[in-house]
Amino acid sequence: DAKTTQPTSMDCAEGRAANLPCNHSTISGNEYVYWYRQIHSQGPQYIIHGLKNNETNEMASLIITEDRKSSTLILPHATLRDTAVYYCIVRSNAGNQFYFGTGTSLTVIP
Amino acid sequence: EAQVTQNPRYLITVTGKKLTVTCSQNMNHEYMSWYRQDPGLGLRQIYYSMNVEVTDKGDVPEGYKVSRKEKRNFPLILESPSPNQTSLYFCASSSSRGYSNQPQHFGDGTRLSIL
Repeated sequence: DAKTTQPTSMDCAEGRAANLPCNHSTISGNEYVYWYRQIHSQGPQYIIHGLKNNETNEMASLIITEDRKSSTLILPHATLRDTAVYYCIVRSNAGNQFYFGTGTSLTVIP
Repeated sequence: EAQVTQNPRYLITVTGKKLTVTCSQNMNHEYMSWYRQDPGLGLRQIYYSMNVEVTDKGDVPEGYKVSRKEKRNFPLILESPSPNQTSLYFCASSSSRGYSNQPQHFGDGTRLSIL
């Protein structure tokens, strides 16, 4: 069963903030939300993860709603190199399996 | 350099001819995993390993075998490959057990074509 739901595709103007949403309505209390991205057919690259609080690193910010049923990945100033498929992932209850969603294909437009 | 190394990167073979895709990591990670990626289906987990001699099935284990005799290596074995196993395969590893919040590091992928 799908653990996360993401829009299939999004566009963003270069230099603007890209906001990528993810629904994870069945998330349990001890499950983390992870974001990865994949450029072409390269191996997925880790971006950021969080449990309850909002998180920020050099790549992005992660905003998690208070009920934890959804989150948003924010790329503050999108560049052409940010064009990729972005995956929102929730770790399973057992903590051993990872369920990838179908991902959002982000296209940054010049 | 910390990395996950998969070999081969590309392979074209025929139905029924046993093959092994190797995966090695140099980060002393306990957790390792294999995924396959198909158009429209995203990444699906095949097998994972919590540590040496401990392996478990993921979502799509049929037709695959794995072994974890050493911490650094986690080979994926296709005993009798079939065309429906044509796919892009990724190996990944992460530190500690799956209960930790450590992210996975992915290899560069292996593209298999089974004719």
